Amino acid sequence: SQQGEEDPQALSIQEGENATMNCSYKTSINNLQWYRQNSGRGLVHLILIRSNEREKHSGRLRVTLDTSKKSSSLLITASRAADTASYFCATDGPSGTGNMLTFGGGTRLMVKP
Amino acid sequence: DGGITQSPKYLFRKEGQNVTLSCEQNLNHDAMYWYRQDPGQGLRLIYYSQIVNDFQKGDIAEGYSVSREKKESFPLTVTSAQKNPTAFYLCASSRTAVQPQHFGDGTRLSIL
Repeated sequence: SQQGEEDPQALSIQEGENATMNCSYKTSINNLQWYRQNSGRGLVHLILIRSNEREKHSGRLRVTLDTSKKSSSLLITASRAADTASYFCATDGPSGTGNMLTFGGGTRLMVKP
Repeated sequence: DGGITQSPKYLFRKEGQNVTLSCEQNLNHDAMYWYRQDPGQGLRLIYYSQIVNDFQKGDIAEGYSVSREKKESFPLTVTSAQKNPTAFYLCASSRTAVQPQHFGDGTRLSIL
């Protein structure tokens, strides 16, 4: 079963608005990562947050991690049409495959111009 | 430029046929991975290798096989035992396990 589950599954916003995606996971983790996937392409790593960190920024991206709630959020500020993609969280830690990453089902973001 | 190259981009398999998907990286990464992605879904781990000449089964290894004879290469064979092979296959690599992964652009496999 998937360790991380994103919410919502799909999100449609207007350019300039902020987009927030959430990820929940079941077991303890070492790190949580966010990836982006454009349609028909491979995934691109966005940001890694360690279990002892609470917030991390990278450009227009802001990631938070709440280990007590086993959840993370990815905020994209001032969204652009080019941000249209699927976004996945991935966790490592105890899972069916040792310390390998386990990916969630993704949030499909559409940013309308 | 360093990166991961997957080939072919599209592949068609006939009934009872084995097909091999290529994955090559020039990032000098030790770890390599194969994932399967079904439409609208996340990634599921098929096989991974943390070092040359060693590999481990992931969550959905049945019907697949791999080899890791060279650090740069991690080919995936989809055997005739995989009854539902139609999917998007992604190869990735990382410096070590659980480090950020770099992905290729995938191979889309369909049944003829």
